[in-house]
Formats: sequence, structure tokens, C-alpha cells
Amino acid sequence: DVKVTQSSRYLVKRTGEKVFLECVQDMDHENMFWYRQDPGLGLRLIYFSYDVKMKEKGDIPEGYSVSREKKERFSLILESASTNQTSMYLCASSRPGLQAKNIQYFGAGTRLSVL
Amino acid sequence: GESVGLHLPTLSVQEGDNSIINCAYSNSASDYFIWYKQESGKGPQFIIDIRSNMDKRQGQRVTVLLNKTVKHLSLQIAATQPGDSAVYFCAEINTGFQKLVFGTGTRLLVSP
Repeated sequence: DVKVTQSSRYLVKRTGEKVFLECVQDMDHENMFWYRQDPGLGLRLIYFSYDVKMKEKGDIPEGYSVSREKKERFSLILESASTNQTSMYLCASSRPGLQAKNIQYFGAGTRLSVL
Repeated sequence: GESVGLHLPTLSVQEGDNSIINCAYSNSASDYFIWYKQESGKGPQFIIDIRSNMDKRQGQRVTVLLNKTVKHLSLQIAATQPGDSAVYFCAEINTGFQKLVFGTGTRLLVSP
């Protein structure tokens, strides 16, 4: 079974804090993704990565950065957390290309509250 | 802009009924569609996919129908069970990219 593990299920942080959300996958997938999920807005892509040390902006990258130093790990960083970053954050991974069906396997999510 | 959306935000059915969840998409260049199920407290899970050169694909108790003429996608669940209660998302893949565009989701509520 594919397993995507997010380090925290719940986080509470204060405005201005630096926040790290960690994600690890055990399927040797090349692609990894970070989304945020908000009521009425669905899943929105923040950043994705096709390979180690590679990153691409998604649809809403502002206020976020990422790090991919190892293939299995993809970190989302909030340099200075703000209240509008309170959300559910979902990490996903997949093999590359449509041949692999591009199925994205998701972690259970991290619910972040910024006070 | 391109978008993927859903017609019904909430669908309530009785156990044993068949459920139909609908999805409209606007990007006619999309060539691959996926349905995900998200149970409370969990991340989305893959259910079934379909390529744009197909009209219908069946899985276990689920069927996806694709109507490219009207850019409409539907997920049919046969003999709906309480365990099917979840939020269902359709998603499309932009040609040439490897990122999904998700709809906002439909909540399916199954009453015993």
C-alpha cells in the first residue's frame, strides 16, 4: 500500500511564526504536491515537485515555500504565518506521466490554525 | 478561465439506492478525469478514472460516464451504503502538465 505520511494532524501557531509542514512517502514517487483545502474552494495547488531539489509554483504559492532535499520528503514552509493561512493542508505523491495514470495518493492532512 | 465544478453540493440518499454525482468541466483540452472520495478526517482517495477517448468505465459498484459534447462527468454508485458517505471530487488533468484541477466537491449522505 502506498503511504503518504504528514507529520502532524493538528497544529496551532501564532501570527508571524515560521511553520514547517512535513510530508514523507514510501513509494519512491517522483512527483510530490502540496494543496490547501478550504470550504467552498476545493483543493488548490500551492507547490509541486517533479524531482529532488526541483520545485514549481502551483496556483497559490504566495506566502509559501517548499523544500525537496530527498526524494521521499517534501516540506511546506510558511515563512511568517498569517491568519489567512489557517486551512487544511494536504500532501500528495504520484509517479510521473499519464502512463502511470497519474494517480495522486494523499496524506491524511494537517489542520493548521494560525492565531 | 478553466474550471472544474459540481452541480450539487449535497446529495442525500437512502441505503440501497443508486447515487449519481455530477461534474461539469470547462477545459475541452483535458484528456483525463479522476474521481476521488474523501471521508471525514482523511485525505482524498482515488476511486476511478477515465480517459477522454472513452464514454464509460465501470469499477466495483461505481461507473463513470463522460459526455464530451456537453463537458459533463458523472459518478454512479450502485446500491449505496452508509460507508459511501463522503465528499466526492472530480478532477481533470491539463494536457502537458501533471497537476490536477479539482472541483469543489459534493457531499454524499447515506441514510440507513
